[in-house]
Amino acid sequence: EVQLVQSGPEVKKPGESLRISCRVSGYSFANYWIGWVRQMPGKGLEWMTIMYPGSSDTRYSPSFQGQVTMSADKSTSTAYLQWSSLKASDIAVYYCARARQSLDTSPYFFDNWGQGTLVTVSS
Amino acid sequence: DIQMTQSPSTLSASVGDRVTISCRASQSISTWLAWFQQQPGKAPKLLIYDASRLESGVPSRFSGSGSGTDFTLTISSLQPDDFATYYCQQYNVYYSFGQGTKVEI
Repeated sequence: EVQLVQSGPEVKKPGESLRISCRVSGYSFANYWIGWVRQMPGKGLEWMTIMYPGSSDTRYSPSFQGQVTMSADKSTSTAYLQWSSLKASDIAVYYCARARQSLDTSPYFFDNWGQGTLVTVSS
Repeated sequence: DIQMTQSPSTLSASVGDRVTISCRASQSISTWLAWFQQQPGKAPKLLIYDASRLESGVPSRFSGSGSGTDFTLTISSLQPDDFATYYCQQYNVYYSFGQGTKVEI
């Protein structure tokens, strides 16, 4: 069974750094793209970034380029999303999600999702 | 980037109703479109991919259609568990989501 288990809720102050995690099981971590999606309170879904852990190839949405950093540890099958300096506008639930293809030549879509990590930023 | 527009934003329906949600892309995305269901406080759940392919384990009352720029999600007979928010997402060029359609009683 494919599972993505995210780290717990975080409460941070503005300007602090943060790294949240997404540990996967039930499939070969290195061979599937994995991404992060933001959901601000009461709002919709926004794609942030995606990485292929096998090569560390990483892509960012222009809206999030330079704002966050995605990384991965193949030895523990864990993806990470980090901030160097949090802002109040970073308050949101963050989801990790695996991406797969329907055919070898087709683009990747998100299929399995983590449970979400709530990040709160408050002074 | 590709903009996705859903309609309506909110839909009031009853158990047993046939429900249709529309999604329009700002440029052609072929059939590279997915539909997700999100219950309050839960992660999104994949329903449909490649515009019309039903994800394994998803009830057959859900169906998708369309290609190019116009797409539709249909629920043939609304069940109590189906009251939720639905999102379309294109994956032709990176990823972008519609703003969501809330299906309420």
